[in-house]
Amino acid sequence: AQSVTQPDIHITVSEGASLELRCNYSYGATPYLFWYVQSPGQGLQLLLKYFSGDTLVQGIKGFEAEFKRSQSSFNLRKPSVHWSDAAEYFCAVGYTGTASKLTFGTGTRLQVTL
Amino acid sequence: GAGVSQSPRYKVAKRGQDVALRCDPISGHVSLFWYQQALGQGPEFLTYFQNEAQLDKSGLPSDRFFAERPEGSVSTLKIQRTQQEDSAVYLCASSPRAFNQPQHFGDGTRLSIL
Repeated sequence: AQSVTQPDIHITVSEGASLELRCNYSYGATPYLFWYVQSPGQGLQLLLKYFSGDTLVQGIKGFEAEFKRSQSSFNLRKPSVHWSDAAEYFCAVGYTGTASKLTFGTGTRLQVTL
Repeated sequence: GAGVSQSPRYKVAKRGQDVALRCDPISGHVSLFWYQQALGQGPEFLTYFQNEAQLDKSGLPSDRFFAERPEGSVSTLKIQRTQQEDSAVYLCASSPRAFNQPQHFGDGTRLSIL
């Protein structure tokens, strides 16, 4: 069974500092990987996705993520965090093939200090 | 165009009552998913529709949970004889094609069982 681990429950960074959120997955085949962001009381917004090809993917709001097969990781990065980035971030993995249900990690809550 | 719309946004019910949660996917989207998000957790898959066909209901926690999408657009998630452990946010997502497409999420229905 596939699984996703986000080892950091809560991260605090200063505005303008760089950010890296960790994600590790367990899946037998090539995964489809996603990062979503959730603000309080809201649904999930897709930040970026990896299906195939270039392992460094760019997303919205200045985020990027790198797929590293050897480490089973898909870490999310941003060079300079803005106060509006404070939210909950979820990494998710999908099957390759049919019925693309997603398996989510437990999330990382990002707090940004001014 | 409109995104995924869910109603009601909030639902309070007494234990033992039946509830119905509605999802209006993005127009033309083939795939529709329901997820359950407990407090402080990532979303967990409940069920998946491709058009009107329910192709995967492996995540439904019990036979009290029932979902339908009779005309391949709007979907309803019904929970019978609600219990306190059913309290959660129920998220609906849709995607344009059958396989391996990013899912677009609604804002969810927050269900509280008293």
